Amino acid sequence: GENVEQHPSTLSVQEGDSAVIKCTYSDSASNYFPWYKQELGKGPQLIIDIRSNVGEKKDQRIAVTLNKTAKHFSLHITETQPEDSAVYFCARRVYNFNKFYFGSGTKLNVKP
Amino acid sequence: ETGVTQSPTHLIKTRGQQVTLRCSSQSGHNTVSWYQQALGQGPQFIFQYYREEENGRGNFPPRFSGLQFPNYSSELNVNALELDDSALYLCASSRGGAQEQETQYFGPGTRLLVL
Repeated sequence: GENVEQHPSTLSVQEGDSAVIKCTYSDSASNYFPWYKQELGKGPQLIIDIRSNVGEKKDQRIAVTLNKTAKHFSLHITETQPEDSAVYFCARRVYNFNKFYFGSGTKLNVKP
Repeated sequence: ETGVTQSPTHLIKTRGQQVTLRCSSQSGHNTVSWYQQALGQGPQFIFQYYREEENGRGNFPPRFSGLQFPNYSSELNVNALELDDSALYLCASSRGGAQEQETQYFGPGTRLLVL
């Protein structure tokens, strides 16, 4: 299908633990996969992205992995902090076409 | 902050009315995409404007229309409003060619309530 399957829909972790969110897609023409963080009352904010010619990308406590063969990509947040609490969205873009398809979101709650 | 601004922040309309939402893109960006985000859902692509022309459209009826101006700002117009049009409307700006855009940056959104 067009959309991206995102799991879990809610995730609760203790401060300092790791959080992992996974997305799957079916269109092999997808070539770009951004992750967005959306806080209450705000627009989505880009936190990390990965292109299809790369398997992993890391930025401080945040990392994204991509498995093109299995058509899934994951967001990893280590040493979680209360300010990481938000809704996270994955998305994909099809090569040669600027339409972005989003997952349904994961509400992350980091308990202090 | 992304530099993408939207107005108004909130809007209340009644069924059957028309609404215009506005977006100013980030400096240096030539493309604006519009999304509808229903409560508890991910953004759904409405359409994209690249250099003042529509450059792709999602599964939205013709009563959703748009414009892009020479300064790359954009408007989203919705005619004959329905209750299901109640949502957060997001615009995202980016730069690049007609077929391969760079990263999209979102504005804060306009919350539309249709009564």
